[in-house]
Amino acid sequence: GQQVMQIPQYQHVQEGEDFTTYCNSSTTLSNIQWYKQRPGGHPVFLIQLVKSGEVKKQKRLTFQFGEAKKNSSLHITATQTTDVGTYFCARDDKIIFGKGTRLHILP
Amino acid sequence: DAGVIQSPRHEVTEMGQEVTLRCKPISGHNSLFWYRQTMMRGLELLIYFNNNVPIDDSGMPEDRFSAKMPNASFSTLKIQPSEPRDSAVYFCASSFTTGGKEQFFGPGTRLTVL
Repeated sequence: GQQVMQIPQYQHVQEGEDFTTYCNSSTTLSNIQWYKQRPGGHPVFLIQLVKSGEVKKQKRLTFQFGEAKKNSSLHITATQTTDVGTYFCARDDKIIFGKGTRLHILP
Repeated sequence: DAGVIQSPRHEVTEMGQEVTLRCKPISGHNSLFWYRQTMMRGLELLIYFNNNVPIDDSGMPEDRFSAKMPNASFSTLKIQPSEPRDSAVYFCASSFTTGGKEQFFGPGTRLTVL
């Protein structure tokens, strides 16, 4: 009930293509956080979304929080090799992480 | 700033041995979290402390696992006795508060139990 589901689990894209990962919850979230973990590294905080319908951008990354605050997405425009890694969403009120989406870039 | 410090970075031990993982949070942070990461189960919260007090240990797998935070600058996660299924990467993270703030993760301890 309190889990957050992420899809897809894996994504292979050609360099330069766009990428989107989705995070879904069956219950309303107070806020959601996104983290990135490079291969062999540790999770690094990217952003937190709090408001219904919120959209935030960080360069080529666009984060959205659904109107009902039950889902969120991370979209990367024109992927680069530096985007490789696993992207996690986390529901902050319960400190629960999704299983992550592993992004692999094909040169 | 040094960031969250964990030791050791790698630990290889034999089944039945005691394992102690150590964490030094970022100075000034009052919340500390222990996570375990495996391919199968992903990133799991084991326990978290607020102001050195354990708040939620529902993620601790079983009695073989214990965690302490004797002061604001040090925490340990102990496994006794260790089992092969405990093999994982264990992360420590800290933040200013339990909720609403970003967590800063340490580099992790890769534990292998043979």
